[in-house]
Amino acid sequence: EADIYQTPRYLVIGTGKKITLECSQTMGHDKMYWYQQDPGMELHLIHYSYGVNSTEKGDLSSESTVSRIRTEHFPLTLESARPSHTSQYLCASSAGPPADTQYFGPGTRLTVL
Amino acid sequence: GQQLNQSPQSMFIQEGEDVSMNCTSSSIFNTWLWYKQDPGEGPVLLIALYKAGELTSNGRLTAQFGITRKDSFLNISASIPSDVGIYFCAGQPDFGNEKLTFGTGTRLTIIP
Repeated sequence: EADIYQTPRYLVIGTGKKITLECSQTMGHDKMYWYQQDPGMELHLIHYSYGVNSTEKGDLSSESTVSRIRTEHFPLTLESARPSHTSQYLCASSAGPPADTQYFGPGTRLTVL
Repeated sequence: GQQLNQSPQSMFIQEGEDVSMNCTSSSIFNTWLWYKQDPGEGPVLLIALYKAGELTSNGRLTAQFGITRKDSFLNISASIPSDVGIYFCAGQPDFGNEKLTFGTGTRLTIIP
């Protein structure tokens, strides 16, 4: 069983607000990821990190930013939320290499009004 | 980037039936993973495959790493209501720093 946590689970906010989605893992994994997913649709990688002070943009362009100051913590921030940011945000971590076996958190469902 | 074709896109079955789904790629993969996602939750890892030809079971689930390394299969035997959800395959084209590529998912529905 993977120990990866996301808070909040649900967030409803107004346009223009700054938000931070939290993700923490207790497995000591170096690799961490953020995915964006609309309900029932495919996962889109928006950010990843291979270790402390390492962050990269993923395949899907996103206005969000991330930081990795501690191994266990990988928060995602939106400076000014818009309705187009409404989606489910999933955090994952992996111990790889060699294999990139990823374990996911429960997700944060974000709704921007 | 890499593309995974996952099929079928959706399945409607009766309780007790067996289920088969697969993923194919135009490229060779070194790792195949199968996840299940319930509504409003994150994907949960079901089975991980790391070797061509490998056949691995997890309860009523069985997955195989295709011998060509370009495909993988997931079978569910004697389906039950809690099997409902979306099943995603994921593949890693190479060991090292290559990231996973995810399939588009197979939605499983059980008809009463």
